[in-house]
Amino acid sequence: QSALTQPPSASGSFGQSVTISCTGTGSDVGGYNYVSWYQQHPGKAPKLMIYEVTKRPSGVPDRFSGSKSGNTASLTVSGLQADDEADYYCSSYAGSKIYVVFGGGTKLTVL
Amino acid sequence: QVQLVQSGAEVMKPGASVKVSCKASGFTFTGYYVHWVRQAPGQGLEWMGWINPDRGDTHVAQNFQGWVTMTSDTPLSAAFMELSGRGSGDTAFYYCALSFDSSGRFDHWGQGTQVTVAS
Repeated sequence: QSALTQPPSASGSFGQSVTISCTGTGSDVGGYNYVSWYQQHPGKAPKLMIYEVTKRPSGVPDRFSGSKSGNTASLTVSGLQADDEADYYCSSYAGSKIYVVFGGGTKLTVL
Repeated sequence: QVQLVQSGAEVMKPGASVKVSCKASGFTFTGYYVHWVRQAPGQGLEWMGWINPDRGDTHVAQNFQGWVTMTSDTPLSAAFMELSGRGSGDTAFYYCALSFDSSGRFDHWGQGTQVTVAS
């Protein structure tokens, strides 16, 4: 069982927006502004999409945005495109001992 | 650009060990952390630990202590993860990933190495 809770699936129509949640505790998501989001296409390695809750690495479209409220972080994908269909994982720093925990992943389907 | 290239797929018997390599290019292989992440078939991601090639120290997650060893070879710009296959539950893709700080994010990923444990 993953430390962070994500919905197993999410969907949205082409061009619309979808938000994926990631719920943890005060020891991880709520305790640090170090939430990351990764996109993983089938058979491929994960790719960093969001870090430090809201920041985007160079090259990631601004259609991807992150936020956090309390112990729940969220990833919003706007203007859905076919290539956005993938698995999305959240992660959070959880202190120097545990270091990082992941969510179980959300399969995003673009309708 | 930053690139991490991992060694090829492995098949191992329970009780045997395998060493997966991760060769970096496109940046200076010091001052960073190399992490290892496991993904069992159809499952999510699980952080295994990190090594700092510059200092040589490691931090292995509790679930992997005692059966995973992380090392590095700075002149070769490579990191290694040796694991003892306890059973079929260790069959998974093993990824190396690079971070530029200790905030828990993984900036770049290797392509993954499939390890199959079977008798």
